[in-house]
Amino acid sequence: DAGVTQSPTHLIKTRGQQVTLRCSPKSGHDTVSWYQQALGQGPQFIFQYYEEEERQRGNFPDRFSGHQFPNYSSELNVNALLLGDSALYLCASGVSYEQYFGPGTRLTVT
Amino acid sequence: GQNIDQPTEMTATEGAIVQINCTYQTSGFNGLFWYQQHAGEAPTFLSYNVLDGLEEKGRFSSFLSRSKGYSYLLLKELQMKDSASYLCAVPSDTDKLIFGTGTRLQVFP
Repeated sequence: DAGVTQSPTHLIKTRGQQVTLRCSPKSGHDTVSWYQQALGQGPQFIFQYYEEEERQRGNFPDRFSGHQFPNYSSELNVNALLLGDSALYLCASGVSYEQYFGPGTRLTVT
Repeated sequence: GQNIDQPTEMTATEGAIVQINCTYQTSGFNGLFWYQQHAGEAPTFLSYNVLDGLEEKGRFSSFLSRSKGYSYLLLKELQMKDSASYLCAVPSDTDKLIFGTGTRLQVFP
């Protein structure tokens, strides 16, 4: 049974560009959450998707958007990248409060 | 609102015992998680406490006091591979996790 998978592993982008990160949840999970983790900080909640709808959102600007597909996989899109968007982006899936994290995508904005 | 505090860094010696504390303030309580995170990797689940008391799981134990808004993670017989960040997290009422900044533990020989 595959756990949570994410792609790509690493990504380098330039300021102003757009990026799409992908996540497949653990088998049997229908809820996907995205977190941003800056260096030396704990993960910060971006948003959560359930039944292809954004169920709740953290304190992130509209430049951060997402999507969930019928197979429960999800995408995180970030527009107009800023240097401060450089971080590890984590996807988590789970049932109730038990969340399983993917390996993350390391995004570097130059 | 919700707030979580934990020390930024700790050091310990191989074979020793270390206690990592976490205090929290939440509107409502749905349990407390501890995660381990090695550098550049995803957090991995260590424990989930919802009732007061100590839960032991091998070399790792986690304690919770709901009345004090306090938890700790106890690591025994420290090994070099235990060098990692330890994240304390509480779930909100809608499944999202609120994390502390994490405690970076360095184990020395």
